[in-house]
Amino acid sequence: DAKTTQPPSMDCAEGRAANLPCNHSTISGNEYVYWYRQIHSQGPQYIIHGLKNNETNEMASLIITEDRKSSTLILPHATLRDTAVYYCIVRVVDNNDMRFGAGTRLTVKP
Amino acid sequence: DSGVTQTPKHLITATGQRVTLRCSPRSGDLSVYWYQQSLDQGLQFLIQYYNGEERAKGNILERFSAQQFPDLHSELNLSSLELGDSALYFCASSSRAQLNTEAFFGQGTRLTVV
Repeated sequence: DAKTTQPPSMDCAEGRAANLPCNHSTISGNEYVYWYRQIHSQGPQYIIHGLKNNETNEMASLIITEDRKSSTLILPHATLRDTAVYYCIVRVVDNNDMRFGAGTRLTVKP
Repeated sequence: DSGVTQTPKHLITATGQRVTLRCSPRSGDLSVYWYQQSLDQGLQFLIQYYNGEERAKGNILERFSAQQFPDLHSELNLSSLELGDSALYFCASSSRAQLNTEAFFGQGTRLTVV
């Protein structure tokens, strides 16, 4: 699986959009981009995933650049409960040893 | 609630002992993953099973083993325990070994080795 690079930490004001970047410059054509988050030692929670098109669900939006070398997870209106470690993972379709990096610790401040 | 059940939630045991952690995947999910997360560390992938067969192996120690049973539940066996094995152990399940399906995680088993 391709390696990802994320900033170790970010802050965001409550009610504002949180934009979390992920660099995956060596991504292959058959690798999807997945985002998970982990709130204080709870089990990681799936957020969203995509291949090349932008995706949106009730939790977040995923913007993938045209060359697919980077992506941004957008939480449109961050709340204090969004404080968590956010993991970006790229994953080959037929390889399922989903490996997590260090992630970005997002702190949402009042 | 993710639908993935892990038992026990907490486990305290002594060095040198052996323990078994259990994971019940979501109904219908065929794939089970195991992860270890030490204090303030990232999630380390250990092993994955799909429909009873080992599918992928990560940084799993030889003292650790796992299996998936015909009813699809999985067990992670940890033996000759050391202090450094103290960690959160997570199980996740997904519906198929391949394709771009998301995985759902249980709430973990916190193992403390004393």
